[in-house]
Amino acid sequence: DTGVSQDPRHKITKRGQNVTFRCDPISEHNRLYWYRQTLGQGPEFLTYFQNEAQLEKSRLLSDRFSAERPKGSFSTLEIQRTEQGDSAMYLCASSLAAVTNYGYTFGSGTRLTVV
Amino acid sequence: DAKTTQPNSMESNEEEPVHLPCNHSTISGTDYIHWYRQLPSQGPEYVIHGLTSNVNNRMASLAIAEDRKSSTLILHRATLRDAAVYYCILTDPGAGSYQLTFGKGTKLSVIP
Repeated sequence: DTGVSQDPRHKITKRGQNVTFRCDPISEHNRLYWYRQTLGQGPEFLTYFQNEAQLEKSRLLSDRFSAERPKGSFSTLEIQRTEQGDSAMYLCASSLAAVTNYGYTFGSGTRLTVV
Repeated sequence: DAKTTQPNSMESNEEEPVHLPCNHSTISGTDYIHWYRQLPSQGPEYVIHGLTSNVNNRMASLAIAEDRKSSTLILHRATLRDAAVYYCILTDPGAGSYQLTFGKGTKLSVIP
């Protein structure tokens, strides 16, 4: 099973530190998405890539957040100067072609705790 | 964005059918209806989607009302593994956005 992989699964960091998460999508999927989920809420969209191009960003993605997808393969999400409000589950998903025809495949997420 | 309304929680006995409702009274003609579920400590999992006609797959069935203002996800025989939060989501790829807008979903509990 070559589903969506996310690393690390858990991250505890001190407030003010920078963190970086990695997502490896399903290899043939050209679209990649990042979502954030806080306790008791549904996931919230952060950003979306088609191949290496970042095509859509949510207002939730402040200046402290940056995402990349070099060469259209894996993606990284970096949070600079973390705040306690950044504590959440960060989910990555990938898809092929239009969402009308294929469901998104999500990874198991990276749980970030800022102390 | 068109929104959906789901009950906060539902219960079902194991091995019985479950009907999870979703209201989407402001759905547009180009909106697709998607269902995802999220098991504890996991990312969401695609279940099924449809546009106008009822749909069946190995996981579930999707019944769409004739006026498309509501839909029902049907699990034919609930198992303990089906205990999860179920999300009903509308998407319109023709609008150029591929993001999924999740609500709070319906938390399904399955009683042994």
